[in-house]
Amino acid sequence: AQSVTQPDIHITVSEGASLELRCNYSYGATPYLFWYVQSPGQGLQLLLKYFSGDTLVQGIKGFEAEFKRSQSSFNLRKPSVHWSDAAEYFCAVAAKTSYDKVIFGPGTSLSVIP
Amino acid sequence: NAGVTQTPKFQVLKTGQSMTLQCAQDMNHNSMYWYRQDPGMGLRLIYYSASEGTTDKGEVPNGYNVSRLNKREFSLRLESAAPSQTSVYFCASKNPGSMNTEAFFGQGTRLTVV
Repeated sequence: AQSVTQPDIHITVSEGASLELRCNYSYGATPYLFWYVQSPGQGLQLLLKYFSGDTLVQGIKGFEAEFKRSQSSFNLRKPSVHWSDAAEYFCAVAAKTSYDKVIFGPGTSLSVIP
Repeated sequence: NAGVTQTPKFQVLKTGQSMTLQCAQDMNHNSMYWYRQDPGMGLRLIYYSASEGTTDKGEVPNGYNVSRLNKREFSLRLESAAPSQTSVYFCASKNPGSMNTEAFFGQGTRLTVV
């Protein structure tokens, strides 16, 4: 069955520190991969996406993610976290053969200490 | 540019009451979705509509019905609300079958069933 796991339920980092949020997926083939961010009381905003090609993708707000096929992972990174990055982060996948279903992970809540 | 608009933003229902959550998008997207978001479970797909006139069940369809009224609108109906349906509901839309396969989300409807 298709699934997405985010091993870290909650992460706390200091402002200015680096960040890595983990995402692993289970799929029959390489899917499309996404990271979304949700600020409190808001909808979801797309940070970045991977379809094919270069395995390191750049997104908005200084985020990047690296696709590793051998590990079935798509980890999100940011070199220096800002207080405004405190939010919920969701990894998501969509099968290339069935574009219509986007499956989300459980989310990682990020807190930023000043 | 409104994007995806959901109404209402908040709702409190008594057990057994019915209601319809409305969703409209102005991006001419073919596919529309209803998700529910519960703590620690990410977003789970309730129903989706790949195109006008079609609807399909997602992961958690029980207790819900949907109507794809036209290309713009996709409503979610709770016929007899239960406390287990207390959640935040998100509508989303996207176009399948292209590189632009990310979903755009509404701001959510926070529903409480007492």
